[in-house]
Amino acid sequence: SQQGEEDPQALSIQEGENATMNCSYKTSINNLQWYRQNSGRGLVHLILIRSNEREKHSGRLRVTLDTSKKSSSLLITASRAADTASYFCATDPLGYSTLTFGKGTMLLVSP
Amino acid sequence: ETGVTQSPTHLIKTRGQQVTLRCSSQSGHNTVSWYQQALGQGPQFIFQYYREEENGRGNFPPRFSGLQFPNYSSELNVNALELDDSALYLCASSWGQDHNSPLHFGNGTRLTVT
Repeated sequence: SQQGEEDPQALSIQEGENATMNCSYKTSINNLQWYRQNSGRGLVHLILIRSNEREKHSGRLRVTLDTSKKSSSLLITASRAADTASYFCATDPLGYSTLTFGKGTMLLVSP
Repeated sequence: ETGVTQSPTHLIKTRGQQVTLRCSSQSGHNTVSWYQQALGQGPQFIFQYYREEENGRGNFPPRFSGLQFPNYSSELNVNALELDDSALYLCASSWGQDHNSPLHFGNGTRLTVT
């Protein structure tokens, strides 16, 4: 079963625009991570936010976490065509040994 | 630093057959997790190995089994293949049991069962 649920399922924007993806989850967590996957290849880790953090930045990425609402958002600023990929949130539920992934958001950035 | 490598990249099998997928973990990593990703879905956790012992298992039947070797490489074995086993199988390595250690993924093995 999926712990996380991303929203929207698909997002299409122009280069230079910002992209926002949301993730909701069900149980208490140690941390929440975001991963990117290009066209059926392996996933690449983007950013990790711990349960006691509210916001984190990495380059053009900004992640927020609201544990009271069990939700997170990933903002990609000034998007590029190379950002076209599927983005997954992954939670590390308390008491579990590994990450649980959502179904992902497919982002298409057009030149 | 050597990344996670998986072999083979593609595989076609017939229903009822058995398959073995292989994974070499990133150097310095002693934990390997296996995931199954059906088309259009997120990765589903199969199991994890830490220092050669199974350390957690997802909702997969016993015909999915695995091994981890002393060099921390790993195998995923699937017996009595079913059509629904067609998927991308992803291996990911990490360090220890640190819950804040991100997973490093290989590029996967695409398994097609006919």
